[in-house]
Amino acid sequence: AQRVTQPEKLLSVFKGAPVELKCNYSYSGSPELFWYVQYSRQRLQLLLRHISRESIKGFTADLNKGETSFHLKKPFAQEEDSAMYYCASKGTDKLIFGTGTRLQVFP
Amino acid sequence: EAGVTQFPSHSVIEKGQTVTLRCDPISGHDNLYWYRRVMGKEIKFLLHFVKESKQDESGMPNNRFLAERTGGTYSTLKVQPAELEDSGVYFCASSQDRGGRTREQYFGPGTRLTVT
Repeated sequence: AQRVTQPEKLLSVFKGAPVELKCNYSYSGSPELFWYVQYSRQRLQLLLRHISRESIKGFTADLNKGETSFHLKKPFAQEEDSAMYYCASKGTDKLIFGTGTRLQVFP
Repeated sequence: EAGVTQFPSHSVIEKGQTVTLRCDPISGHDNLYWYRRVMGKEIKFLLHFVKESKQDESGMPNNRFLAERTGGTYSTLKVQPAELEDSGVYFCASSQDRGGRTREQYFGPGTRLTVT
């Protein structure tokens, strides 16, 4: 069965510091991976997906099939990046989520 | 355009009672999904409707949960009778098919269910 693992429940950094949110997946085929974000008092929303290879709000994520990872990175964290981040993979049409990582960015 | 809406935003019920959650997807979205996040755990898939048909209900925990989508518009998720372990946040999401592929899932704000 597909699984998504986010080993960190909480990641705290200071503004301007680099950020890396870890995500590992288990899937035998070609995975379709996503990062979702939930800001305080807002709904869950798509941040980025690996197939589009885009950078959203300065975040990037590269699929590493050798390490089965899809870590989310940002070189300089901002206070407004504080949120809950979920890594997810797509199985048929449903999403399989990790447990999420709370990112706290201190001023 | 209104996003996915869910009602109620919060429900507190006693063990053994019945609760019905409602989800209104984005207009025109044939796909509707229910997910649940139990405290401290990951967001888990419950089921997937395509229009009024259940495409995948492999995530439904047991027969105390009943989901419907009559007419292919809004959906309801009924829990009867509710147990303590049903407490959590229930999310609804919708997406549309385009070009033979299912597109991005848009999430509702969730319903927080507390069973006491």
